[in-house]
Amino acid sequence: AQKITQTQPGMFVQEKEAVTLDCTYDTSDPSYGLFWYKQPSSGEMIFLIYQGSYDQQNATEGRYSLNFQKARKSANLVISASQLGDSAMYFCAMRDFRGSSASKIIFGSGTRLSIRP
Amino acid sequence: GAGVSQTPSNKVTEKGKYVELRCDPISGHTALYWYRQSLGQGPEFLIYFQGTGAADDSGLPNDRFFAVRPEGSVSTLKIQRTERGDSAVYLCASSSTGRDTGELFFGEGSRLTVL
Repeated sequence: AQKITQTQPGMFVQEKEAVTLDCTYDTSDPSYGLFWYKQPSSGEMIFLIYQGSYDQQNATEGRYSLNFQKARKSANLVISASQLGDSAMYFCAMRDFRGSSASKIIFGSGTRLSIRP
Repeated sequence: GAGVSQTPSNKVTEKGKYVELRCDPISGHTALYWYRQSLGQGPEFLIYFQGTGAADDSGLPNDRFFAVRPEGSVSTLKIQRTERGDSAVYLCASSSTGRDTGELFFGEGSRLTVL
Protein backbone atom coordinates (compact mmCIF):
# COMPACT_ATOMS: atom_id res chain seq x y z
CA ALA A 1 0.00 0.00 0.00
CA GLN A 2 1.04 3.57 -0.62
CA LYS A 3 2.20 5.64 2.30
CA ILE A 4 3.64 9.13 2.71
CA THR A 5 5.42 10.21 5.90
CA GLN A 6 6.31 13.75 6.89
CA THR A 7 8.01 13.70 10.27
CA GLN A 8 8.35 17.43 10.85
CA PRO A 9 5.07 18.89 12.11
CA GLY A 10 6.56 22.40 12.26
CA MET A 11 9.71 24.29 11.38
CA PHE A 12 11.02 27.80 11.98
CA VAL A 13 13.58 29.28 9.60
CA GLN A 14 15.24 32.67 9.36
CA GLU A 15 14.40 34.66 6.24
CA LYS A 16 16.88 34.16 3.36
CA GLU A 17 18.10 30.83 4.71
CA ALA A 18 17.57 27.56 2.86
CA VAL A 19 15.21 24.98 4.33
CA THR A 20 14.69 21.27 3.72
CA LEU A 21 11.32 19.65 4.32
CA ASP A 22 11.47 15.89 4.74
CA CYS A 23 9.29 13.32 2.99
CA THR A 24 9.58 9.56 2.83
CA TYR A 25 7.28 7.28 0.93
CA ASP A 26 6.44 3.66 0.44
CA THR A 27 5.03 1.94 -2.60
CA SER A 28 5.36 -1.42 -4.30
CA ASP A 29 4.84 0.08 -7.74
CA PRO A 30 8.01 0.80 -9.77
CA SER A 31 6.31 3.67 -11.60
CA TYR A 32 5.15 6.58 -9.50
CA GLY A 33 5.19 10.33 -9.19
CA LEU A 34 5.94 12.57 -6.24
CA PHE A 35 4.51 16.04 -5.67
CA TRP A 36 4.86 18.91 -3.28
CA TYR A 37 2.00 21.30 -2.59
CA LYS A 38 1.89 24.51 -0.57
CA GLN A 39 -1.19 25.53 1.40
CA PRO A 40 -1.13 29.09 2.79
CA SER A 41 -3.49 30.17 5.53
CA SER A 42 -6.00 31.13 2.83
CA GLY A 43 -6.52 27.39 2.26
CA GLU A 44 -5.77 27.10 -1.45
CA MET A 45 -3.55 24.23 -2.56
CA ILE A 46 -0.68 25.38 -4.77
CA PHE A 47 1.32 22.90 -6.84
CA LEU A 48 5.08 23.42 -6.45
CA ILE A 49 7.07 20.64 -8.04
CA TYR A 50 6.87 17.12 -9.48
CA GLN A 51 9.34 14.22 -9.69
CA GLY A 52 8.76 11.08 -11.71
CA SER A 53 10.27 7.84 -10.44
CA TYR A 54 12.17 7.33 -13.68
CA ASP A 55 13.42 10.90 -14.01
CA GLN A 56 17.20 10.90 -14.18
CA GLN A 57 17.65 14.32 -12.63
CA ASN A 58 16.21 15.97 -9.54
CA ALA A 59 13.37 18.33 -10.35
CA THR A 60 13.84 22.06 -9.94
CA GLU A 61 11.36 24.94 -10.22
CA GLY A 62 12.80 28.34 -9.40
CA ARG A 63 13.67 28.38 -5.68
CA TYR A 64 12.24 24.88 -5.22
CA SER A 65 14.19 21.71 -5.78
CA LEU A 66 13.41 18.12 -4.96
CA ASN A 67 16.16 15.98 -3.42
CA PHE A 68 15.06 12.61 -4.75
CA GLN A 69 16.84 9.58 -3.29
CA LYS A 70 15.10 6.58 -4.80
CA ALA A 71 16.95 3.88 -2.88
CA ARG A 72 16.08 5.57 0.41
CA LYS A 73 12.54 6.34 -0.76
CA SER A 74 12.86 9.97 0.15
CA ALA A 75 11.76 13.08 -1.72
CA ASN A 76 12.74 16.10 0.33
CA LEU A 77 11.78 19.60 -0.75
CA VAL A 78 14.50 22.24 -0.63
CA ILE A 79 13.55 25.91 -0.65
CA SER A 80 16.47 28.23 -1.26
CA ALA A 81 16.61 31.83 -0.01
CA SER A 82 13.38 31.58 1.99
CA GLN A 83 10.94 34.49 1.96
CA LEU A 84 8.24 35.59 4.40
CA GLY A 85 5.66 34.50 1.85
CA ASP A 86 6.91 30.93 2.10
CA SER A 87 5.21 30.59 5.49
CA ALA A 88 2.56 27.92 4.93
CA MET A 89 1.73 24.23 5.26
CA TYR A 90 3.64 22.01 2.87
CA PHE A 91 2.36 18.62 1.77
CA CYS A 92 4.23 15.82 0.07
CA ALA A 93 2.07 13.59 -2.12
CA MET A 94 2.43 10.49 -4.27
CA ARG A 95 0.65 8.82 -7.13
CA ASP A 96 1.51 5.37 -8.40
CA PHE A 97 0.58 4.65 -11.97
CA ARG A 98 -0.31 0.95 -12.00
CA GLY A 99 -0.50 1.07 -15.76
CA SER A 100 -2.93 4.00 -15.74
CA SER A 101 -2.09 7.66 -16.18
CA ALA A 102 -4.56 8.63 -13.51
CA SER A 103 -4.86 7.06 -10.10
CA LYS A 104 -5.36 8.28 -6.63
CA ILE A 105 -2.91 10.71 -5.10
CA ILE A 106 -2.29 10.42 -1.38
CA PHE A 107 -0.92 13.16 0.86
CA GLY A 108 1.27 13.27 3.91
CA SER A 109 0.28 14.98 7.15
CA GLY A 110 2.18 18.13 6.27
CA THR A 111 4.84 20.41 7.71
CA ARG A 112 4.03 23.93 8.90
CA LEU A 113 6.86 26.21 7.85
CA SER A 114 7.24 29.58 9.52
CA ILE A 115 9.74 32.12 8.22
CA ARG A 116 11.16 34.58 10.75
CA PRO A 117 12.04 38.12 9.55
CA GLY B 1 -13.99 30.77 -14.66
CA ALA B 2 -11.02 28.69 -15.67
CA GLY B 3 -10.41 27.00 -12.33
CA VAL B 4 -12.13 24.32 -10.26
CA SER B 5 -15.30 25.70 -8.71
CA GLN B 6 -16.87 24.33 -5.53
CA THR B 7 -20.22 25.23 -4.01
CA PRO B 8 -21.23 26.03 -1.39
CA SER B 9 -18.09 27.54 0.11
CA ASN B 10 -19.61 27.14 3.56
CA LYS B 11 -22.36 24.87 4.79
CA VAL B 12 -23.69 24.64 8.32
CA THR B 13 -26.13 21.84 9.01
CA GLU B 14 -27.60 19.90 11.88
CA LYS B 15 -26.70 16.38 12.85
CA GLY B 16 -28.74 13.88 10.89
CA LYS B 17 -29.38 16.10 7.87
CA TYR B 18 -28.51 15.39 4.24
CA VAL B 19 -25.87 17.48 2.46
CA GLU B 20 -24.75 17.85 -1.15
CA LEU B 21 -21.46 19.44 -2.17
CA ARG B 22 -20.86 20.34 -5.80
CA CYS B 23 -17.67 20.45 -7.84
CA ASP B 24 -17.26 21.90 -11.33
CA PRO B 25 -13.84 20.86 -12.68
CA ILE B 26 -11.64 22.52 -15.25
CA SER B 27 -13.13 22.03 -18.69
CA GLY B 28 -11.68 19.00 -20.43
CA HIS B 29 -10.24 17.40 -17.31
CA THR B 30 -11.34 13.78 -17.23
CA ALA B 31 -10.09 12.91 -13.74
CA LEU B 32 -11.87 14.34 -10.70
CA TYR B 33 -10.96 13.80 -7.05
CA TRP B 34 -12.62 14.41 -3.71
CA TYR B 35 -10.60 14.86 -0.53
CA ARG B 36 -11.51 15.67 3.04
CA GLN B 37 -9.23 17.86 5.14
CA SER B 38 -9.56 18.27 8.88
CA LEU B 39 -7.87 21.15 10.68
CA GLY B 40 -4.08 20.80 10.74
CA GLN B 41 -4.07 17.59 8.71
CA GLY B 42 -3.31 16.58 5.17
CA PRO B 43 -6.02 15.97 2.58
CA GLU B 44 -7.57 12.53 3.01
CA PHE B 45 -8.47 10.77 -0.23
CA LEU B 46 -12.16 9.90 -0.63
CA ILE B 47 -12.87 9.00 -4.26
CA TYR B 48 -11.76 9.67 -7.79
CA PHE B 49 -13.54 9.52 -11.12
CA GLN B 50 -12.26 8.81 -14.60
CA GLY B 51 -14.97 10.25 -16.79
CA THR B 52 -18.35 9.18 -15.42
CA GLY B 53 -17.20 6.17 -13.45
CA ALA B 54 -15.75 5.97 -9.97
CA ALA B 55 -12.32 4.45 -10.60
CA ASP B 56 -11.43 4.24 -6.92
CA ASP B 57 -13.84 4.84 -4.03
CA SER B 58 -11.72 3.15 -1.40
CA GLY B 59 -11.47 6.32 0.69
CA LEU B 60 -15.18 6.78 1.33
CA PRO B 61 -15.46 6.28 5.11
CA ASN B 62 -18.83 4.50 5.12
CA ASP B 63 -22.05 4.08 3.19
CA ARG B 64 -23.35 7.50 4.27
CA PHE B 65 -20.98 8.99 1.70
CA PHE B 66 -21.68 8.77 -2.01
CA ALA B 67 -20.49 10.68 -5.07
CA VAL B 68 -21.68 10.91 -8.65
CA ARG B 69 -20.46 12.40 -11.90
CA PRO B 70 -23.25 11.53 -14.35
CA GLU B 71 -22.00 13.41 -17.42
CA GLY B 72 -18.28 13.24 -16.79
CA SER B 73 -18.00 16.87 -15.75
CA VAL B 74 -19.72 18.22 -12.62
CA SER B 75 -19.58 15.97 -9.57
CA THR B 76 -21.70 15.91 -6.43
CA LEU B 77 -20.58 14.50 -3.09
CA LYS B 78 -23.57 13.41 -1.04
CA ILE B 79 -23.52 12.84 2.71
CA GLN B 80 -26.51 11.27 4.41
CA ARG B 81 -27.37 11.43 8.12
CA THR B 82 -24.51 13.81 8.82
CA GLU B 83 -22.53 13.42 12.03
CA ARG B 84 -20.42 15.96 13.91
CA GLY B 85 -17.31 14.03 12.86
CA ASP B 86 -18.09 14.85 9.22
CA SER B 87 -17.16 18.48 9.88
CA ALA B 88 -14.18 19.31 7.64
CA VAL B 89 -13.19 21.08 4.46
CA TYR B 90 -14.08 19.01 1.42
CA LEU B 91 -11.67 19.62 -1.43
CA CYS B 92 -12.28 18.82 -5.06
CA ALA B 93 -9.49 18.58 -7.62
CA SER B 94 -9.26 17.76 -11.29
CA SER B 95 -6.48 16.73 -13.60
CA SER B 96 -5.88 16.10 -17.24
CA THR B 97 -4.85 12.48 -17.68
CA GLY B 98 -2.90 13.46 -20.75
CA ARG B 99 -0.30 15.34 -18.73
CA ASP B 100 2.80 13.53 -17.56
CA THR B 101 2.81 15.14 -14.16
CA GLY B 102 -0.86 14.49 -13.52
CA GLU B 103 -0.86 17.66 -11.45
CA LEU B 104 -4.01 18.23 -9.46
CA PHE B 105 -5.79 21.56 -9.68
CA PHE B 106 -7.76 22.22 -6.53
CA GLY B 107 -10.88 24.19 -5.81
CA GLU B 108 -11.14 26.41 -2.76
CA GLY B 109 -13.08 23.80 -0.85
CA SER B 110 -16.45 23.51 0.85
CA ARG B 111 -16.30 23.95 4.60
CA LEU B 112 -18.91 21.71 6.23
CA THR B 113 -19.90 22.25 9.85
CA VAL B 114 -22.26 19.77 11.47
CA LEU B 115 -23.81 21.06 14.68
